[in-house]
Formats: sequence, C-alpha cells, structure tokens
Amino acid sequence: AQSVTQLGSHVSVSEGALVLLRCNYSSSVPPYLFWYVQYPNQGLQLLLKYTSAATLVKGINGFEAEFKKSETSFHLTKPSAHMSDAAEYFCAVSVATGNQFYFGTGTSLTVIP
Amino acid sequence: NAGVTQTPKFRILKIGQSMTLQCAQDMNHNYMYWYRQDPGMGLKLIYYSVGAGITDKGEVPNGYNVSRSTTEDFPLRLELAAPSQTSVYFCASSSWDRKGGGYTFGSGTRLTVV
Repeated sequence: AQSVTQLGSHVSVSEGALVLLRCNYSSSVPPYLFWYVQYPNQGLQLLLKYTSAATLVKGINGFEAEFKKSETSFHLTKPSAHMSDAAEYFCAVSVATGNQFYFGTGTSLTVIP
Repeated sequence: NAGVTQTPKFRILKIGQSMTLQCAQDMNHNYMYWYRQDPGMGLKLIYYSVGAGITDKGEVPNGYNVSRSTTEDFPLRLELAAPSQTSVYFCASSSWDRKGGGYTFGSGTRLTVV
C-alpha cells in the first residue's frame, strides 16, 4: 500500500525567505510523486511531478522538489517566498498506470510580509 | 479548452434529499475520479472510473453512486443526504502514459447538508 505523510499542517515564512514543505512517502514499489497547490476556493493545480527521470524536479512558480529514495522523501522548496505563494499544498503518490493517487493531508503556507 | 467542469459550485441540501453532482471533461481522458475534501483530512477518493462503463469504489464510497456512460461525463449521485456528507467535492481526470501523468481537477462543488 502507498501513503503520504506531510509534516507540519501549517508553515509560516517571511516574504523572501526559503520555503520548505516536507513530504515522506511509503511505497513497496517505485513511486510517482506529485505536488499540488490549492488557492482559496479553487481546485488543485499540479506544481510538479517525479516519474522516475531526474531526481531534482523543477515546477511552476519557481518551486522544485528532490526525490530521495534513501530518505523516502520528496520535499518541496522555493528559494524566496512571495506573497502569492500563500496556499494549501498537497503531496501525492501513485505507483502504476491508471492507479489512484494517495494524497497527504496538506500543508497550509502563510507568507508574512 | 475548458478542462474539467463541475456543476453546481454551491448547494445546500436538506437531510434526506438527493442530488447529482455533474462532472464533464473535454480532454478525452480515460480516467476520472471523485474526491471529497474535509478540513485537515486531505482528499479522500470516493469513486473512480478507468473508462466508459467501468467504475470502482474508492476509500469512502458509502452514500454515493456513480455512472460512466460516456468518456466525457462522470456524475456523482448522493441518495438520502446526511450531514456527514457536508464537504467540498472535487472531480478530476487523467490520461496516463508510461511517463506518468497527473490529475486535472475541477474547481469543486461546496455542499452543505442541513
């Protein structure tokens, strides 16, 4: 079975500071990993995905994530936070074509001016 | 491209009433999904479909039904609404290939059962 754990349901950073959102996964087979962002009253939007190619994945809006098999992690980072980054972020895992995704419980990011 | 369209955006139901949440996608995706999102709980899969005529239960199917008569549409039916079904419902679709894919989400339906 697959699962995702997001450490920290709420993260606050100052504008311009590093953003680090943590995601650890559990999977018995090589996973596909995803980060989604949800702005208030909107659906989820794909930020980036890891599908067994390069371990460092770059996404939209300056975000990136690194797949670390030894740590079973897929943490999301951004060097400099912007006010517009305030949103809910979800990590998700899947393992096979057509299979369902398993989502973490989400991390709410607040950016302090 | 409209992507995934959900209707209605908001609805208030009385206990015991029924309704259908509509979901349509225009990307010719094979796979479609229904999730519910509750505060602090992430997204829970209700039902999914891997193609027209094929549906299967997800993690929390009780109290819901689905059908998939066409590739484009995947309606979710609530029979005998209960307060526990107050939630935000998201429909998603995907077209998976060997390089991996991702979901395209609709904008959600906020349902309140009173």
